[in-house]
Amino acid sequence: KAGVTQTPRYLIKTRGQQVTLSCSPISGHRSVSWYQQTPGQGLQFLFEYFSETQRNKGNFPGRFSGRQFSNSRSEMNVSTLELGDSALYLCASSLGFLGAPDETQYFGPGTRLLVL
Amino acid sequence: DAKTTQPPSMDCAEGRAANLPCNHSTISGNEYVYWYRQIHSQGPQYIIHGLKNNETNEMASLIITEDRKSSTLILPHATLRDTAVYYCIVRYTPGSARQLTFGSGTQLTVLP
Repeated sequence: KAGVTQTPRYLIKTRGQQVTLSCSPISGHRSVSWYQQTPGQGLQFLFEYFSETQRNKGNFPGRFSGRQFSNSRSEMNVSTLELGDSALYLCASSLGFLGAPDETQYFGPGTRLLVL
Repeated sequence: DAKTTQPPSMDCAEGRAANLPCNHSTISGNEYVYWYRQIHSQGPQYIIHGLKNNETNEMASLIITEDRKSSTLILPHATLRDTAVYYCIVRYTPGSARQLTFGSGTQLTVLP
């Protein structure tokens, strides 16, 4: 079974631009979560989508948004990029059922974003 | 989710067993112990998880103490490719907040 895929793997942008990152979950997984990882802040949760609906949201400004499509693929968008948005953006997929006793999240390889 | 404590770094000789400890003394009865690892600049990789019984899969074994206040991840025959940061996470899944919170983890260095 194929793992979580993320595109692009590397991206260089300048301040003020916007960027869209894509994530394809493991087949059959309906939940997609997005995380930002930086050396200073570690892994921080952005948001989670399930069945095309945002189910949970972290503490990030409105410049960070996402969406999920009917095939469970997800995109996240960052508008008006700032230097501090430089990070590894990770996507994780899981089956997504709230009642599952041991729901495991599987991560993709990440997208490395550099903002100049 | 309960807080975990891990040593910041450990070394292990190639071919030997790597035993990574994790303390989670405030764990509650319905919280699972998860282990992930992250090789530099790659996405975290799921390793194993358990509730109270010891678990084994093709990657590792997880030993949870009877009182569940600590656990040990065992890589039976460490290789150079096992050099990574290992994260121990304690979380309750059903119906609760779903996001993962990684602590500082343990930097495992496998030496030739």
